[in-house]
Parts: sequence; C-alpha cells; structure tokens
Amino acid sequence: GAVVSQHPSRVICKSGTSVKIECRSLDFQATTMFWYRQFPKQSLMLMATSNEGSKATYEQGVEKDKFLINHASLTLSTLTVTSAHPEDSSFYICSALGVGVSEQYFGPGTRLTVT
Amino acid sequence: GDSVTQMEGPVTLSEEAFLTINCTYTATGYPSLFWYVQYPGEGLQLLLKATKADDKGSNKGFEATYRKETTSFHLEKGSVQVSDSAVYFCALLSGAGSYQLTFGKGTKLSVIP
Repeated sequence: GAVVSQHPSRVICKSGTSVKIECRSLDFQATTMFWYRQFPKQSLMLMATSNEGSKATYEQGVEKDKFLINHASLTLSTLTVTSAHPEDSSFYICSALGVGVSEQYFGPGTRLTVT
Repeated sequence: GDSVTQMEGPVTLSEEAFLTINCTYTATGYPSLFWYVQYPGEGLQLLLKATKADDKGSNKGFEATYRKETTSFHLEKGSVQVSDSAVYFCALLSGAGSYQLTFGKGTKLSVIP
C-alpha cells in the first residue's frame, strides 16, 4: 500500500515556541491531505483539509492562525503549531489521498509535548 | 450529520477467544465503512473495508459485514492473539465525492496469554 511518513515522531518544546510537523507521501502524489488531532483515549478529530496549492479548510473551532497548514507540493504538507501552549500537547496524525490511491493513508503520528 | 457509534472498551480477552466489537452508524446516502487499527504509539492502519451493502471485508482473520438493514459493521475474529492488542476504530466515508472520514471513539482491545 501507499506510504505516508511524518517527521518528527516525537517533539518536546517550550511554551511560546513554534513547532513544525511534516507529512510526506512517499510513493504517490497527494492531492489532498488531512490533519487530525487525537487526545488520550479519544478518537481522531479532523482539524483541517488541505489541497495542494490552495488554502486549507479548517474545521469549526480550530484556530487557523494557531495551526498553520501549508501544502505546497504534491508530496508534502506541514502543520505549524504557533506559540504552543501545554494544552496543545497531543498526538497529531496526517493522512493523504491522491492520484492512484483509493483511500486515505495515514502517517504514523507525531507526539507533541509542550512544557 | 454522519456519526459512528462503537462499543466502549476496554475489552480484555484471553488468547484464542472470540472477538466482537460492535459498530453502528448514521449516515445519509450510501457510505463506505472501514475498520482501522492503531497499535501503541503508531498511526492508523486500514484493517478492512466494505463499500456497499452485504459486502464482507476481511483481513488477518478479522471480518466485518456491511448490514444496511441494521446500519451495522461489527468487527469479528474467531481466535485473537496477543499481537491483536490495539485500539480499533470504526469509520465511515459518506458518498457523493466526500473524502472526510467520520470515526467512532475507538475500542481498546487487550489480549492476555
């Protein structure tokens, strides 16, 4: 199946700093990428949908100025958590959909801890 | 709107026991249905799927049948192994060109030797 990678797998940052998470489709062109947030023992919450070359569409309640999403190429989308706070600590998962694939493929996730 | 309800866990079973995780859904139109598995510290992996009524998805000994009359997609396995310990998510994808998955809350399965 198609492969989606995320980097880093874990990151610890101090409150007030910004963190960038990368999501890459390794063997297909991802026309659409999704960013999810998963709280402990909870389901995945869709944060935003990004299409290559256009602005991301954010779900209700997700601050677009805090969670900056860029999908500048067909293989890379980035999520930047700006001015991170401890409540932003979570597991962030991306998925990708694109040319030649019939379903979403998920990345392995990034564990963000804000101290 | 669309929703997925799955049985709450955690579920603890002995090795070789029979597994059922219930999942029901509410959706307009004719959704596709999925089971995803999440192993500790990892992202989601597609376990199986069914795209129309009466379809049976199967993989790694797991099965689920798309039941339109009961709006259900229960996951079953005849004999679980310790390596099946994970969180299982039921999800649906609405039709009409939508690519947004709706997930259930997940059911944690622990299999003990």
